[in-house]
Amino acid sequence: DIQMTQSPSSLSASVGDRVTITCQASQDISNYLNWYQQKPGKAPKLLIYDASNLETGVPSRFSGSGSGTDFTFTISSLQPEDIATYYCQQSGKLTFGGGTKVEIK
Amino acid sequence: QVTLRESGPALVKPTQTLTLTCTFSGFSLSTSGMCVSWIRQPPGKALEWLALIDWDDDKYYSTSLKTRLTISKDTSKNQVVLTMTNMDPVDTATYYCARTTATYSGSYYFDYWGQGTLVTVSS
Repeated sequence: DIQMTQSPSSLSASVGDRVTITCQASQDISNYLNWYQQKPGKAPKLLIYDASNLETGVPSRFSGSGSGTDFTFTISSLQPEDIATYYCQQSGKLTFGGGTKVEIK
Repeated sequence: QVTLRESGPALVKPTQTLTLTCTFSGFSLSTSGMCVSWIRQPPGKALEWLALIDWDDDKYYSTSLKTRLTISKDTSKNQVVLTMTNMDPVDTATYYCARTTATYSGSYYFDYWGQGTLVTVSS
């Protein structure tokens, strides 16, 4: 099975900061990578699919990049409403990463 | 408007079989590219994909759980059912169903989710 490793597992940043999360696949997955946001007590929400495609209605401060085994998710300017746990997902075999909890400093 | 809702027992005993139903609206599972998946999340832990059924009735399962899972659909009722056998306390989790879109390149993404249902396994 393809393993997805996210880092860091948690981070604390100030409002307005640029936040970056990485996801590494255990083998080449091309651009088959999705990103989700999950707020406490809520269902996850799709933000980015196929590594870099922004889901309709998602703010442009969210972006994704990468291919092969190494992927990056970026929030260009952290907002208070972005406090959540973010998950990557290998979109071929559907495996999730372990999640990154984002908090406000 | 796409909606999904999970239903099933809140409490099951160890060794019992869990049956969950996902009732959806706003799309058809007979439309090419449409699928429904089940995902679970133990309290305080990460998401885990369980199973997927597509418009062509093809079924895919998590490698680690495939011997215990069965997914099926009733297109006329807009329902997808997941059964999981031999339940154990470690299976305690919130179970979600999600509309899943299949792309032409062979990838999938979960674009609409139900609110989830908490299933506790305890005697």
